[in-house]
Amino acid sequence: GQQLNQSPQSMFIQEGEDVSMNCTSSSIFNTWLWYKQDPGEGPVLLIALYKAGELTSNGRLTAQFGITRKDSFLNISASIPSDVGIYFCAGQLNSGGSNYKLTFGKGTLLTVNP
Amino acid sequence: DARVTQTPRHKVTEMGQEVTMRCQPILGHNTVFWYRQTMMQGLELLAYFRNRAPLDDSGMPKDRFSAEMPDATLATLKIQPSEPRDSAVYFCASGSQNQYFGPGTRLTVL
Repeated sequence: GQQLNQSPQSMFIQEGEDVSMNCTSSSIFNTWLWYKQDPGEGPVLLIALYKAGELTSNGRLTAQFGITRKDSFLNISASIPSDVGIYFCAGQLNSGGSNYKLTFGKGTLLTVNP
Repeated sequence: DARVTQTPRHKVTEMGQEVTMRCQPILGHNTVFWYRQTMMQGLELLAYFRNRAPLDDSGMPKDRFSAEMPDATLATLKIQPSEPRDSAVYFCASGSQNQYFGPGTRLTVL
């Protein structure tokens, strides 16, 4: 089955630094989603990417859909303490308007030191 | 503020007992998903429905798990009998291309 490799597994950074994390897949996806999960809560959708090469921003977050359709990255600029959490990438095949199953990466645990 | 709701938020039960988890999807969303999250396996899809009909339940242990959508505002996931290895957080999500998650049910089976 499809597998997603998300890296790094964890990051410890200082407040104000930029952060980058990425996901690679053994096969193509037609949609990439990035989620953030806080302790005791469900994943919250941050950014959705629908087209190869697409670059999308949401505030301090920027994500790109790789042109091979097998990878995506998420950047966070000028990190703040509330950015702490686990970030997940998820790929979706979504062929012909069906098959909306998400395959998730294992997550990147981000710690921001004030 | 539309959001997915799940009940209960926490459930502790003994092995062999029946467990029922409930989900109310976002109004208007016709696709509902059940995911399970564990430390070892991460987030895994168990089953999903569109227009209340099951589309894919290949991720679900069929002998003890069942998922239904009695109506458009309620999805249920039932485990009978429960086992300690079922301990996990169970999430419901609704939407199709963009999926929105509920807060989860943390299940502990002793």
